[in-house]
Amino acid sequence: KAGVTQTPRYLIKTRGQQVTLSCSPISGHRSVSWYQQTPGQGLQFLFEYFSETQRNKGNFPGRFSGRQFSNSRSEMNVSTLELGDSALYLCASSLGQGVRSYEQYFGPGTRLTVT
Amino acid sequence: AQTVTQSQPEMSVQEAETVTLSCTYDTSENNYYLFWYKQPPSRQMILVIRQEAYKQQNATENRFSVNFQKAAKSFSLKISDSQLGDTAMYFCAFPLFTGANSKLTFGKGITLSVRP
Repeated sequence: KAGVTQTPRYLIKTRGQQVTLSCSPISGHRSVSWYQQTPGQGLQFLFEYFSETQRNKGNFPGRFSGRQFSNSRSEMNVSTLELGDSALYLCASSLGQGVRSYEQYFGPGTRLTVT
Repeated sequence: AQTVTQSQPEMSVQEAETVTLSCTYDTSENNYYLFWYKQPPSRQMILVIRQEAYKQQNATENRFSVNFQKAAKSFSLKISDSQLGDTAMYFCAFPLFTGANSKLTFGKGITLSVRP
C-alpha cells in the first residue's frame, strides 16, 4: 500500500498570506489528523477529520481550518499567516474506528516558513 | 486527567549497546493501545511498536521491545544492539479518551543519540 503523502513538501510564504496544505491518506483509512510541530512547543494536535466531518479539534485559533473530501483526502488552510506559524505540519491517517483506530501513520510533512 | 509523560529529554548510547527509554501515562481505561514512534532527522514519523493493554506479553519488533507495566502505568522502549540509524527523537503515544473526542496524545519526546 502507498503511504501517506503530503504536498507541498516545502513552502515559503509572507505574513498575511494564506496557505493550503494537502494530505492523501493510506487507502482504506478514513481518519486524517493534522499536527503542528515546532522546536519550542513540540507536537501539537490541530484537528481530526473522519468521514468528511471534523471529529476533534485542538486549541488553535480559527485561522486554522481544514476539510476532508469523500475520498478521505484532507486539506488544511491557514489564513492571515503569522511568523509563529512557521513549523512542520504533519498529517497522519488511521482507520478511524475499531480497536486499532488510534494507530496513526504519518506523512513526510510540509515545512512552512513564514517571512 | 489523562497524560503521557516522558521525563528524559535526551539520552546517548554507544553503538551496539542497549538503551531503555521511559514513558508513563495515566488513564482509567482498561482496554487501549500504546505506541512508540520514531522521528529521525528526516522528520518522517515512523511507528516503531504497539502494545495492547489487555495482553500481558510485552510486544517485540526485531531489536525493539517494550516493558509494559500496566499497574504502574509504565511503557518503556528497549532498543537492543543500537545502530547509528536509531539516532532519532522517540515519542510515546496513548489515546486520550474523552468520549467522542478521543485522540492520540504524544509525550514531549526523547532525543536519542547513538555514538559510533
